[in-house]
Amino acid sequence: NAGVTQTPKFQVLKTGQSMTLQCAQDMNHEYMSWYRQDPGMGLRLIHYSVGAGITDQGEVPNGYNVSRSTTEDFPLRLLSAAPSQTSVYFCASSYGDGGVNYGYTFGSGTRLTVV
Amino acid sequence: AQKITQTQPGMFVQEKEAVTLDCTYDTSDPSYGLFWYKQPSSGEMIFLIYQGSYDQQNATEGRYSLNFQKARKSANLVISASQLGDSAMYFCAMRGLEYGNKLVFGAGTILRVKS
Repeated sequence: NAGVTQTPKFQVLKTGQSMTLQCAQDMNHEYMSWYRQDPGMGLRLIHYSVGAGITDQGEVPNGYNVSRSTTEDFPLRLLSAAPSQTSVYFCASSYGDGGVNYGYTFGSGTRLTVV
Repeated sequence: AQKITQTQPGMFVQEKEAVTLDCTYDTSDPSYGLFWYKQPSSGEMIFLIYQGSYDQQNATEGRYSLNFQKARKSANLVISASQLGDSAMYFCAMRGLEYGNKLVFGAGTILRVKS
């Protein structure tokens, strides 16, 4: 069972470039989320999805797009990379159905540097 | 308003001693879940323990226990018999309908175990 798979693990971008961070899960989880982790700020939610075809903004959505065409995949697109987007990005998934007792399973993270 | 507060940016503990990592939370929901995650230097997010708001007993998982004081809105993590491998960043997180059933994180506490 692979769990949550994120690619790539490391990426360096130049300012203004675009790219897509890939995320896939094989646990049939309804909820999928993207977080960014910055020193001293914990994990902040960028975008999330409660099922295929449904996405919504989190706490820090500016500069990022998402889509959810299948249950398994939840890619995060950086439209025009900026140095402020240098961070570690985590994809996570969870069962939904309104249950607050389900924890999230995390991918291994993507370390992104924008120069 | 801060939803999850971890007041200890860093902690030291002597090997084999117990340590408590503090976490307070803010919600008006009667139903919510509290989670602790460990992030070692390798970067992955590891689920440690869960406490539901309606649970009558404090959660325990091996050397980890959660000191849940509902009236004070605190959910402190207790690690007994600390080991060198416990050195890591620890995050407290909460999931509740007030926050759209999303997982929200505190800023984290870095724990260093001394030999």
